[in-house]
Amino acid sequence: AQSVAQPEDQVNVAEGNPLTVKCTYSVSGNPYLFWYVQYPNRGLQFLLKYITGDNLVKGSYGFEAEFNKSQTSFHLKKPSALVSDSALYFCAVRDVYNFNKFYFGSGTKLNVKP
Amino acid sequence: EAGVVQSPRYKIIEKKQPVAFWCNPISGHNTLYWYLQNLGQGPELLIRYENEEAVDDSQLPKDRFSAERLKGVDSTLKIQPAELGDSAVYLCASSLGDEAYGADTQYFGPGTRLTVL
Repeated sequence: AQSVAQPEDQVNVAEGNPLTVKCTYSVSGNPYLFWYVQYPNRGLQFLLKYITGDNLVKGSYGFEAEFNKSQTSFHLKKPSALVSDSALYFCAVRDVYNFNKFYFGSGTKLNVKP
Repeated sequence: EAGVVQSPRYKIIEKKQPVAFWCNPISGHNTLYWYLQNLGQGPELLIRYENEEAVDDSQLPKDRFSAERLKGVDSTLKIQPAELGDSAVYLCASSLGDEAYGADTQYFGPGTRLTVL
């Protein structure tokens, strides 16, 4: 069973508009959720994580994500997109009931057009 | 603070040849991970070390892949012999390993892009 899903292969948004990159998860118990960004020929860079507490998590570069337990979602958002935000975004979940295994989604390519 | 260092950045080899990748984690990070990333996909865990102990190697193809982290710092991932399907990016990541129940953040190196001809 897939532990994390990113339903959109690609998201297109105009610069200055809000953006959302979707992520849903499926693990036992309380999830630990992460977002990473990957630029071409670079490793993954950490953006933010949800462990516990406030459902709205703020991270690097103006990104934020909202944990929704009832919808098992952890969507990444930014109020105003920049062209430089164009990259590949990965959602990840840690399954603490399964030997702390770490699962990545398949990634969503974000294209921000001027 | 220096990040995770990996070498080489690129490697091209003939099939059936051996290849090795090296990773130096962030200083003080006890946990080290090796991932495989195929083009257009998310990383998949190969092996996870806590200090020098491999605590999760269930996804490592042990017939041809091996890894070591002898002194609990640097790590080497080896493939012998390489197959065409091994062409991918091999990522190393590290984390402090000090947060309860796996809440700590992983930091990734730039990866090694392997091409097997």
